[in-house]
Amino acid sequence: SAVISQKPSRDICQRGTSLTIQCQVDSQVTMMFWYRQQPGQSLTLIATANQGSEATYESGFVIDKFPISRPNLTFSTLTVSNMSPEDSSIYLCSVEDYTSGFYEQYFGPGTRLTVT
Amino acid sequence: ELKVEQNPLFLSMQEEKNYTIYCNYSTTSDRLYWYRQDPGKSLESLFVLLSNGAVKQEGRLMASLDTKARLSTLHITAAVHDLSATYFCAVVRDDMRFGAGTRLTVKP
Repeated sequence: SAVISQKPSRDICQRGTSLTIQCQVDSQVTMMFWYRQQPGQSLTLIATANQGSEATYESGFVIDKFPISRPNLTFSTLTVSNMSPEDSSIYLCSVEDYTSGFYEQYFGPGTRLTVT
Repeated sequence: ELKVEQNPLFLSMQEEKNYTIYCNYSTTSDRLYWYRQDPGKSLESLFVLLSNGAVKQEGRLMASLDTKARLSTLHITAAVHDLSATYFCAVVRDDMRFGAGTRLTVKP
């Protein structure tokens, strides 16, 4: 199974600033995903990040607000730009892995962001 | 658009009782997952269901999939306190969509 780490694990930021979240995987994966989980809510897909191409954003999420990088098959970053209190959430990185003979999707530990 | 409905949203169970969580989805899918999330933690994969009639069991949890009815169930047998958590189903078609989650509390 893929092991995923995220940095930072949590942060408190002032409104108007930006935060970049890093996601590192211990194996090469094609598909990486970024999710948001607001307090007490389910997970919402922000975007899919494939190496070598532009990230694909879901409805309601735009590149200017959530720029994503995917420089190689083991790493991705998500930036939350010009933050407001409404951006306070847990941000989770996820990868799709096929080494078990079928598709498994694993999640990182999450980054808990509080915007004041 | 793929929609995933999960119920109940909240479930308070007594120890040693049985109960079922339901997950309905709106279109055909490639696979269905069940995850567990403890407070303040990330998601732990429980089951991946790939085909109609698939049934998987791990301890007191059993998951099944009926692709014709577009329904998956997560059955809890003889609940114990350690099972208290939030359980999510997630369905994959073009991407993964989550149900709202079921917050399960097992009381003595």
